[in-house]
Amino acid sequence: EAAVTQSPRNKVAVTGGKVTLSCNQTNNHNNMYWYRQDTGHGLRLIHYSYGAGSTEKGDIPDGYKASRPSQENFSLILELATPSQTSVYFCASGDGLGGGAETLYFGSGTRLTVL
Amino acid sequence: GEQVEQRPPHLSVREGDSAVITCTYTDPNSYYFFWYKQEPGASLQLLMKVFSSTEINEGQGFTVLLNKKDKRLSLNLTAAHPGDSAAYFCAVAYTEGADRLTFGKGTQLIIQP
Repeated sequence: EAAVTQSPRNKVAVTGGKVTLSCNQTNNHNNMYWYRQDTGHGLRLIHYSYGAGSTEKGDIPDGYKASRPSQENFSLILELATPSQTSVYFCASGDGLGGGAETLYFGSGTRLTVL
Repeated sequence: GEQVEQRPPHLSVREGDSAVITCTYTDPNSYYFFWYKQEPGASLQLLMKVFSSTEINEGQGFTVLLNKKDKRLSLNLTAAHPGDSAAYFCAVAYTEGADRLTFGKGTQLIIQP
């Protein structure tokens, strides 16, 4: 069965520290996405990728970087973490269907707390 | 850009009753519509994907209605059961690529015994 795996599941970081969230997918999908989920905001797109070596800015990229070293792996990097980045982060892979028909497959999420 | 408004943010119904969640969108070129379900502590999973040319789509225990004239998408759960307790998110895509996928803010549905 296709799977998207995120690590760590929970993370506590200090303000100003560097945080890396990892995502691995075995779906062999080209497209991968990072979202954050906050109460009252739903899911908001941070970065996405169309394949290895590609990263694109989503709707709220400020304060985040992304890295896609391979088809399977997509990382989200917070170089200088701030308390406003406390959230639940979801990684997803997309089946690449065109015309807006793409279905996303989500990981289990990472709960990040920045103190 | 696309705006998606989802209502209500919270909904509590008794087991066996129906529940309706509605999303309105702004872009008339919206093409595909999605409902995702998120059970407590779990990830989002696709409930149904609806193409813009189909107005009524039925699943197991629910119906998705699309009114393109009013730009409204609704999820109707018939005879709700405890397993329906979850957060539900609509999402709208209006051009190629999920970078244009816009999510609603979600509805927390609680089914009371």
